[in-house]
Amino acid sequence: DVVMTQFPLSLPVTPGQPASISCRSSQSLVHSDGNTYLMWFQQRPGQSPRRLIYKVSNRDSGVPDRFSGSGSGTDFTLKISRVEAEDVGVYHCMQGTHAPGTFGQGTKVEIK
Amino acid sequence: QVQLQESGPGLVKPSETLSLVCTVSGYSVRRDPSITSSYYWGWVRQPPGKGLEWMGSIHHTGSTYYNPSLRSRLTISLEASEYQYSLKLTSVTAADTAVYYCARDSSNYEIDYWGQGILVTVSS
Repeated sequence: DVVMTQFPLSLPVTPGQPASISCRSSQSLVHSDGNTYLMWFQQRPGQSPRRLIYKVSNRDSGVPDRFSGSGSGTDFTLKISRVEAEDVGVYHCMQGTHAPGTFGQGTKVEIK
Repeated sequence: QVQLQESGPGLVKPSETLSLVCTVSGYSVRRDPSITSSYYWGWVRQPPGKGLEWMGSIHHTGSTYYNPSLRSRLTISLEASEYQYSLKLTSVTAADTAVYYCARDSSNYEIDYWGQGILVTVSS
């Protein structure tokens, strides 16, 4: 299975400041169809995950534009341009290029 | 708007079978969306304090896809109702204690809808 490694695992942030989460895969996530199936999910406390980003950098409908995804190959990043209190939770990356799909360990974002 | 809801017992004894049903509203799990896209109806679990694990999924045609780590114990099926599918996990142990989510994804695991999750505890 492809191993997804996120860092940091814990991220204290100050409201209004930027935040960045990294995700590294053990294999390239470029699919034979040319797409890179790397997603980011937000899981607020007590809630189910919600997809924010798909195919590395495509933001889902309703996701604030302060969230952005980037990267290629094996290295990917989720950035929050200006953190808000409602962004508290755990963020998970997931790869869908290689079967079975696998998730990172999750990064807990909390307000300082 | 597609909504998913898990149901089933919250407590299962070790060595027994864990059975859950996912009820979907707003979309038939037997519906063929289009020539160019497909949907898969699956299950993801999250042990307390741990990360997410994709367990398996079923296509509207009935084809199933399982995580190799669970293949010998896991069965995902379409139910008689076109708005339900199910999970059965046999020979459970405490390690199977988790919140179980049903979820929809398109090809390549692109999960776009999640249920609210159901906590299943394995204990005698």
